[in-house]
Amino acid sequence: QVQLQESGPGLVEASQTVSLTCAVSGGSISSGNYWWTWIRQHPGKGLEWIAYIHYSGSTYYNPSLRSRVTISMDTSKNQFSLKLNSVTAADTALYYCARDNSGLDVWGQGTTVTVSS
Amino acid sequence: QAVVTQEPSLTVSPGGTITLTCDSNTGAVTSGHYPYWFQQKPGQVPRTLIYDTRTKHSWTPARFSGSLLGGKAALTLSGAQPEDEADYYCLLSYGGVKVFGGGTKLTVL
Repeated sequence: QVQLQESGPGLVEASQTVSLTCAVSGGSISSGNYWWTWIRQHPGKGLEWIAYIHYSGSTYYNPSLRSRVTISMDTSKNQFSLKLNSVTAADTALYYCARDNSGLDVWGQGTTVTVSS
Repeated sequence: QAVVTQEPSLTVSPGGTITLTCDSNTGAVTSGHYPYWFQQKPGQVPRTLIYDTRTKHSWTPARFSGSLLGGKAALTLSGAQPEDEADYYCLLSYGGVKVFGGGTKLTVL
């Protein structure tokens, strides 16, 4: 079955750009009518939806993050990515990737991003 | 941006029934918001229990059900078990953009 695995730098300096990748295995990112999603969770807090992308190239973003976030897809590598620029301590969180359209049925284990000042 | 509100905390007795709700500041929650419900236990990845208001995944225990109730999305737990103690989140769609509620901490006691 489809599995997702996030990867990222772990630690990033404030004001820099963090790039996260979600590798998709067990299925093609281009097949099906899925929306490939990023969600984050601040330490001890709730979930925050960030963005998602369809294989057609359509994207939707959280309006509060829209100016700093870019989601993209690389079908040749079967992965999708998130770039978040001008990071601050408020971006320290556990970042999950997930597959949507059939009820966010597949999630990765998450990758932690810590912003250092 | 829309704000989605859930009860911060609720308590249910073992074997009891409880309903968690999910409200939107933009008006009544409808099927067009495609409500989702998630369960998250400490240290675990969230898992979806309900999507599209009332659709269950294969792993969703039968005691959980989703509905619309009084202009809100609702998650009803009938016959609570100790293992149902967790945080529960709803998610609503606003024309493609999605917003999570703040979560409900459910205690089974």
